[in-house]
Amino acid sequence: EVQLLESGGDLVQPGGSLRLSCAASGFSFRSYSMAWVRQAPGKGLEWISSIDGGGDKTEHADSVRGRLTISRDNSKNTLYLQMNSLRIEDTGVYFCAKPSSYMITSGRGFDYWGQGTLVTVSS
Amino acid sequence: DIQMTQSPSSLSASIGDRVTITCRASQGISNYLAWYQQKPGKVPKLLIYGASTLQLGVPSRFGGSGSGTDFTLTISSLQPEDVATYYCQKYNSGPFTFGPGTKVDIK
Repeated sequence: EVQLLESGGDLVQPGGSLRLSCAASGFSFRSYSMAWVRQAPGKGLEWISSIDGGGDKTEHADSVRGRLTISRDNSKNTLYLQMNSLRIEDTGVYFCAKPSSYMITSGRGFDYWGQGTLVTVSS
Repeated sequence: DIQMTQSPSSLSASIGDRVTITCRASQGISNYLAWYQQKPGKVPKLLIYGASTLQLGVPSRFGGSGSGTDFTLTISSLQPEDVATYYCQKYNSGPFTFGPGTKVDIK
C-alpha cells in the first residue's frame, strides 16, 4: 500500500526556516518524480515544486523560487522541502504528492497524496 | 507560463442534476489535464487524467472531455457525496498549475 507521511510543519516567525519531510513507502520511490503542493487556509491548491526520480532535475513555482528548495534522499525513501526566508503568505498545509506515472509529464496526474503538514508563519 | 481558469467558481444544484464545470488553459496543453475532487477537510483525490480517462474506482457518473485549451468535467447525476471543490491541473510541462477550483454544493 502506498503511503506518504509528511512531517515538520510548525509555527515559525517571518524570515525563519523550516524543513518538511515526506516519508514514502509501498512503491519504488527512486523511480518516481515527486511534488509538493500547498493550500493556504480556505484557498485552492498550489503546485510549488517537483523533483525527478534521481534528484537531478528540480522545478519550483515563481512564488517560492530561491526560498523553498525540494530535494530527496532515495536511500531513506524521503522527500524534503527546505523552507527559508519564510513569509506570512507561505502559511498553509503542505502536501507531498506522487504522480501516477514515473514522470509527472507522462500523463496521469497525482494519484497519491499525503495527509499534509501545517506550516504557520506568524509573529 | 500557462494560466488555468475555471468556471463557475461555485454552483448549487439539486440531487440528480447534471453538473458541468469548465477549465480553460491560456495555451494548448493537448490532453495533459487532470481533475481532482477535494471534500472539506480531506486530501485531494484524482478523478480523471488525460482529460477524459476515469481513474480506477471513480464512479461512472463522472466524465471528462476536451483537448487543447478547453476542458469539461461533468457529473451526470449529482449525488450528496459529490459536495466538494473540484480542481483541474495541467501537467504537460512545469509549472504544473492548478485551476482556482469550483465549489459544488446541494441546492
